[in-house]
Amino acid sequence: GAVVSQHPSWVICKSGTSVKIECRSLDFQATTMFWYRQFPKQSLMLMATSNEGSKATYEQGVEKDKFLINHASLTLSTLTVTSAHPEDSSFYICSAEVWRESYNEQFFGPGTRLTVL
Amino acid sequence: RKEVEQDPGPFNVPEGATVAFNCTYSNSASQSFFWYRQDCRKEPKLLMSVYSSGNEDGRFTAQLNRASQYISLLIRDSKLSDSATYLCVVNPNTDKLIFGTGTRLQVFP
Repeated sequence: GAVVSQHPSWVICKSGTSVKIECRSLDFQATTMFWYRQFPKQSLMLMATSNEGSKATYEQGVEKDKFLINHASLTLSTLTVTSAHPEDSSFYICSAEVWRESYNEQFFGPGTRLTVL
Repeated sequence: RKEVEQDPGPFNVPEGATVAFNCTYSNSASQSFFWYRQDCRKEPKLLMSVYSSGNEDGRFTAQLNRASQYISLLIRDSKLSDSATYLCVVNPNTDKLIFGTGTRLQVFP
């Protein structure tokens, strides 16, 4: 099956620092990856679509200058939370897209739990 | 109206029970439908896709009603290990997936 890894799995940082999260497709190439955020007891909310070799597409309300996305290769996308604040504390999950015959399936990474003090 | 709506639960059922979850979606052009399972503090994992004709995978049966725009998931003979949050997921004919807030299931001995 398609395996997606994320690193780190958890991070605690001080307010004002930047945090980089990596998302890797381990046994397949992914031209498209997605970044989600999930607050406690809420659904996954799509933040942005990351396309290899081009700029990410951000969802409405997501600041592109705060959440920097780089998808430099077919197996790696990174999300950098710049100048993190406590309200950015959340569970960040990436997924990589695999096309099936009639639909596209997303395989999720294990998530990164960010706590900003 | 939310794009995907689910009853948050929790559904507390004894082992061996049959439990059903429903989900409604607002975009009539949606083409793909899924049920994902999410354990506490973990990533979602695909449980099954939902086809127009309905489909079954062991103790799990998924059905789609396009006319009424709802999707259902039936779990028979519940196991303790079925305790999780079940996410209804819809692809509105784009690359994106729209997630419901999930229905929490707790199976007790």
